[in-house]
Amino acid sequence: GAGVSQSPSNKVTEKGKDVELRCDPISGHTALYWYRQSLGQGLEFLIYFQGNSAPDKSGLPSDRFSAERTGGSVSTLTIQRTQQEDSAVYLCASSPSRGTYTEAFFGQGTRLTVV
Amino acid sequence: DQQVKQNSPSLSVQEGRISILNCDYTNSMFDYFLWYKKYPAEGPTFLISISSIKDKNEDGRFTVFLNKSAKHLSLHIVPSQPGDSAVYFCAALNSGGSNYKLTFGKGTLLTVNP
Repeated sequence: GAGVSQSPSNKVTEKGKDVELRCDPISGHTALYWYRQSLGQGLEFLIYFQGNSAPDKSGLPSDRFSAERTGGSVSTLTIQRTQQEDSAVYLCASSPSRGTYTEAFFGQGTRLTVV
Repeated sequence: DQQVKQNSPSLSVQEGRISILNCDYTNSMFDYFLWYKKYPAEGPTFLISISSIKDKNEDGRFTVFLNKSAKHLSLHIVPSQPGDSAVYFCAALNSGGSNYKLTFGKGTLLTVNP
């Protein structure tokens, strides 16, 4: 596809369940970022992948959150034992290389609601 | 502690007039600033940026001004059009540090009335 694709668009889950959010970046983009936007807040950095380098996970809010990027392409963000405070829009972005945000494209996001 | 602040949650202007969106930051290590525009149910899209070595950058109807001493930047849209109605986010990064971590403000909802 031409842009960054995220799935699902919406996810409602029960508290305590695990969820997986998927991001398909733009082909050829080596940098991939996850952000989340909680209600009334700005976007919050979660994790960054660059090529085959070790990811920067410093933004992950707890050890219930993890992410992987397989083959330098598709990324999955996993939240275990979801809590209500995890409810947010999770956004993925990709760019040609590290930090090239003027050339970065964001996906439409996954709206996660934990009930 | 919010390092990037957009103190106006919303702004309403008439079509054809100027829209001025403001942003303040506290981290003196930030040296690159970006504005993003976001429509409902879509991801943010990059609009315009400015490096701290400049005080102004212009792109068509959009101009960003940076006042480093005041740690303040503003986005001017002139003339405003109804299609400009969206949420605008200010973002900042430290290009010498973790230059892949953007710090965002909470956004300002701009409504341009026909």
